[in-house]
Amino acid sequence: GQQLNQSPQSMFIQEGEDVSMNCTSSSIFNTWLWYKQDPGEGPVLLIALYKAGELTSNGRLTAQFGITRKDSFLNISASIPSDVGIYFCAGQLMDSNYQLIWGAGTKLIIKP
Amino acid sequence: GAGVSQSPRYKVAKRGQDVALRCDPISGHVSLFWYQQALGQGPEFLTYFQNEAQLDKSGLPSDRFFAERPEGSVSTLKIQRTQQEDSAVYLCASSRSGGNTDTQYFGPGTRLTVL
Repeated sequence: GQQLNQSPQSMFIQEGEDVSMNCTSSSIFNTWLWYKQDPGEGPVLLIALYKAGELTSNGRLTAQFGITRKDSFLNISASIPSDVGIYFCAGQLMDSNYQLIWGAGTKLIIKP
Repeated sequence: GAGVSQSPRYKVAKRGQDVALRCDPISGHVSLFWYQQALGQGPEFLTYFQNEAQLDKSGLPSDRFFAERPEGSVSTLKIQRTQQEDSAVYLCASSRSGGNTDTQYFGPGTRLTVL
C-alpha cells in the first residue's frame, strides 16, 4: 500500500531547542497535514497545507508543502515541555478527497 | 460543543469473542471515519461513512470487521471472532462534510487487547 516515510523516529532535545521533522513519499499528494497525538488521546490537527510550496505557521510551528508534492516538513521553534508527544504527518492522495495516508510518527522527548 | 467520543475506552477480549466499539461524532458532522492504530504506528484507514451510507470499506482487514451508521450519527465497529492481531487502538474521526479541506476531528480511541 501507499507509505509515507517519516523521520526521525524519535528526538531527544533540550528545552528551548528547535526541532525539525519531515515526511517523504513516492506518491504525489494534494494535501499534507501535521497532527500531534498525546498518550491516550486521538491525533489533533496542527497545520494543514493545500498548495505545493505553501509555507504555513501556527505559533511556534512552521510547516511547508514541498514543491514536488511528495514531501513536507514541520519545524518547532524554542521547544517547551508541552511539545512532548508524537507528531504524525498525513497526506491525501490526488485521487481521493478524504482518505489519509499516515507516517509512523516522530516521538519528541524533552530532556530534563 | 462536545468533541468525538468513543466507548469503551478499553476493551479486553478473549480470542474468538465478538466486540462492538461505539463512536459518537460531533453533532451535525456528515462524515465519519474509522482507523486502526497499531502500537508505534500511524493510524490506518478502515472505512468511511457519509451520513448513513458506507462509501468506502476498502481498509477493513477481513470480513470479520463490520461497521454501521444506521441513522447517520452514532457508528459501531464490530469485530467478530477476535484474533490477537486485532489488538490495536481503534480511532473514530468525524468531519463536517468530508472534503479534502475539512478537518477530521478524532476521538480518544478504544484500546482493544485480545488475549
